[in-house]
Amino acid sequence: QKEVEQNSGPLSVPEGAIASLNCTYSDRGSQSFFWYRQYSGKSPELIMFIYSNGDKEDGRFTAQLNKASQYVSLLIRDSQPSDSATYLCAVKSGGSNYKLTFGKGTLLTVNP
Amino acid sequence: ETGVTQTPRHLVMGMTNKKSLKCEQHLGHNAMYWYKQSAKKPLELMFVYSLEERVENNSVPSRFSPECPNSSHLFLHLHTLQPEDSALYLCASSPSLTSPLDEQFFGPGTRLTVL
Repeated sequence: QKEVEQNSGPLSVPEGAIASLNCTYSDRGSQSFFWYRQYSGKSPELIMFIYSNGDKEDGRFTAQLNKASQYVSLLIRDSQPSDSATYLCAVKSGGSNYKLTFGKGTLLTVNP
Repeated sequence: ETGVTQTPRHLVMGMTNKKSLKCEQHLGHNAMYWYKQSAKKPLELMFVYSLEERVENNSVPSRFSPECPNSSHLFLHLHTLQPEDSALYLCASSPSLTSPLDEQFFGPGTRLTVL
């Protein structure tokens, strides 16, 4: 059973702080890793994806991947109240180019 | 219309009703998906289509019947559902099924309540 684990939270950070969201996965052959943001009552929205070890930056967001540790994280710098949402980690395993396995998500609250 | 659209946005049905969910993608993608999102559970993949051909049925009960008449449209036909089928049903699309880097884009979802 391929699993993706996330701390359900809630993770609470003050406005302007760095929010750090973590995700571990069980399938060592996993190829690519996606972070989605889901506001309450809305559908998931892709923030970014990463497939190589190391860091990938896009604006205030940085994804970090460590395949040896089977760990992927999302850092949000200068957190804003509008970042308050559930963040979903999704992983494409090595056996499939399209099947995404999702974690349950981490609820992030940014306090003004 | 842009992106992925879904209708209806909300649906309440009895266990003996038959209804259909509709999804349309305006992205020129070749692959489409149905997901189920229940409270406190991860998104569950239900069906996958590529160029109108079903390539995945993730052990979904037969009371859910998908249909893909062309690469832009996807339906989910519902009949004799159970209350535990109440959930958010999400449609998604991606450029293809062949690249691990292809992103999946989600529609707004249909909130289904089965009484």
